[in-house]
Amino acid sequence: SQQGEEDPQALSIQEGENATMNCSYKTSINNLQWYRQNSGRGLVHLILIRSNEREKHSGRLRVTLDTSKKSSSLLITASRAADTASYFCATDKGYSTLTFGKGTMLLVSP
Amino acid sequence: GAVVSQHPSRVICKSGTSVKIECRSLDFQATTMFWYRQFPKQSLMLMATSNEGSKATYEQGVEKDKFLINHASLTLSTLTVTSAHPEDSSFYICSVWREGPYEQYFGPGTRLTVT
Repeated sequence: SQQGEEDPQALSIQEGENATMNCSYKTSINNLQWYRQNSGRGLVHLILIRSNEREKHSGRLRVTLDTSKKSSSLLITASRAADTASYFCATDKGYSTLTFGKGTMLLVSP
Repeated sequence: GAVVSQHPSRVICKSGTSVKIECRSLDFQATTMFWYRQFPKQSLMLMATSNEGSKATYEQGVEKDKFLINHASLTLSTLTVTSAHPEDSSFYICSVWREGPYEQYFGPGTRLTVT
């Protein structure tokens, strides 16, 4: 079964707007990671947040982690058309194997 | 530059034949590689963990006799889909685990179509 569950499944916004995606998981984790996948391509690692961290920033990305609620969010600020992709969260229980969520398809219109 | 390569990027084969997919770590030696499968508009599902010099560890529900994994060197793992059927058509992605930064690097994927 999927460890991570993202919502929304699909998100459509205009350029310049912020995009927020959420991820929930079920078991204890060592860290949580967010990945991006352009259509039919491989995955690109965006950001990793450890279980003892609550917030992390990288450029226009902001990730939060709430281990009490077993949830994480990915915020992309000032979105661009080039941000159009699928975004996945993945949890790592500490043995290097990742369990991926179902993903959010983000469409950013010019 | 790319850290992980996969070959081929696309392959079409006939039902009943076998096809081999290669995953190469370009920048460093990798003891551990992973193989994932992704159906259209779905998430990645881990199929197996490939360990150099030992047998692969398969996830529950993945047939090890159908999906043969060989991690013969520290830079190469291969996945062979034997007696392929149309339902095996999928996007297969490998990843390489790098200790130290403790990160996974993903290959560009291989699109398999079985006719």
